[in-house]
Amino acid sequence: DTAVSQTPKYLVTQMGNDKSIKCEQNLGHDTMYWYKQDSKKFLKIMFSYNNKELIINETVPNRFSPKSPDKAHLNLHINSLELGDSAVYFCASSQALAGQNEQFFGPGTRLTVL
Amino acid sequence: AQKITQTQPGMFVQEKEAVTLDCTYDTSDQSYGLFWYKQPSSGEMIFLIYQGSYDEQNATEGRYSLNFQKARKSANLVISASQLGDSAMYFCAMRENQYGGSQGNLIFGKGTKLSVKP
Repeated sequence: DTAVSQTPKYLVTQMGNDKSIKCEQNLGHDTMYWYKQDSKKFLKIMFSYNNKELIINETVPNRFSPKSPDKAHLNLHINSLELGDSAVYFCASSQALAGQNEQFFGPGTRLTVL
Repeated sequence: AQKITQTQPGMFVQEKEAVTLDCTYDTSDQSYGLFWYKQPSSGEMIFLIYQGSYDEQNATEGRYSLNFQKARKSANLVISASQLGDSAMYFCAMRENQYGGSQGNLIFGKGTKLSVKP
């Protein structure tokens, strides 16, 4: 059973389109995250949610809107896609915000904006 | 200033030898956690090892050990008896405010690409 799953795995779209990436975790964790990995492999936090509440919105354009319908899901919607949005997006979860809790990552979604 | 610095963009190691991947960090917090992740070419992120700032002993997990030198703010990963399957990107990461007030997120270094030669 996959602990953290993301769909789709690959997403190719035109500039200006709106797209969504879904994330689900079956670990019973309270905290979920979205990270962006750029072409140089640098990983940066975008959002973190704890018990469905937004904790971090890390200087991300408001074209990006996370939505957490329940603790097991954290979806990412992106409006008006731009070329610079091309990256790999990782969803992750951890048992809590703090403590010795490693983050479990999903397989990533490779977004290509043409 | 960078919070996590990995100075080795790429490294080579001979199969069966040990290798050390460097990581230094910068924080004013007293409580923090340090993590290492492996990212093979397939792209997934695999957790390897964790060290808490208050842990007195260096963490070990199988062939992985963490050489934690708190005064020098370094948390180097040591991989013993390298295997071909160890070829991957390795990321050092930190979580600040580990025991209160944490926002939960990991701050990553830029990674080190390790290549294991047969």
